[in-house]
Amino acid sequence: DAGVIQSPRHEVTEMGQEVTLRCKPISGHNSLFWYRQTMMRGLELLIYFNNNVPIDDSGMPEDRFSAKMPNASFSTLKIQPSEPRDSAVYFCASSSLDRGNQPQHFGDGTRLSIL
Amino acid sequence: EDKVVQSPLSLVVHEGDTVTLNCSYEVTNFRSLLWYKQEKKAPTFLFMLTSSGIEKKSGRLSSILDKKELFSILNITATQTGDSAVYLCAVPGETSYDKVIFGPGTSLSVIP
Repeated sequence: DAGVIQSPRHEVTEMGQEVTLRCKPISGHNSLFWYRQTMMRGLELLIYFNNNVPIDDSGMPEDRFSAKMPNASFSTLKIQPSEPRDSAVYFCASSSLDRGNQPQHFGDGTRLSIL
Repeated sequence: EDKVVQSPLSLVVHEGDTVTLNCSYEVTNFRSLLWYKQEKKAPTFLFMLTSSGIEKKSGRLSSILDKKELFSILNITATQTGDSAVYLCAVPGETSYDKVIFGPGTSLSVIP
C-alpha cells in the first residue's frame, strides 16, 4: 500500500524563482494537508483540502504561496517568487474523514533551500 | 485560542531508562489526541486517544489521556537508541477535526 508521495525530495533554488511542490495522497483519502516545518516554528499547517476543495488557508504565510488540488490524487504547493525565509521542510499528509477519527499519514517531505 | 504544550522540550537519557513525555492542551470541543514519532523524515503515527483512563500500548510505548485535567503522557520503558526522535503531540482544533494543532515536540536522545 503506497503512502503519501511527495516530489521533489530536495529542491535548491535561487531567490525569486518559482517553486512547485507536488503531492499524491493515499488512494481513498479525501483530506489533504500541507505543512511547513522549521526549527524555529515547528510544524505549521498551511492549508488543507476536503474532497479537493480548500477548506482553510489561514496558515498560508502570504500571497506568494498558493495551493491547488485539481483532483483526488494530486495537489501542488507553489511559491512565487521564493525568498530565503521560505527554506524549510514541506510535508504533505492525507487522511480519511469518512472513517471517523483517523490519523494523518505524512509523506517524506520536500526539503526546500532558497539561496 | 487552541494550543498544545509539550514538556520537556528536550531530554537526554541512557539506554534502559524509562521516560515520560507530557502533553497538555486547550481546545474547544475536544475529540482526540494524537502522538507521533518523528525521526529524520516525516512524523509517523503512534497512538490516538479519545477516552480518559484507557491506556494504549504498543511494545515498550504506552500512552494515557486525562480529559478532566487536559493532558496526556507518553511512556517509553527500557529505552533504546532507536527511540531517539522528536515526539509530537497533536489535537484537532476548534473548527474541524482536520485542522490538527501540533505541539512543539519533545526531542529525546537515548545514549548508549
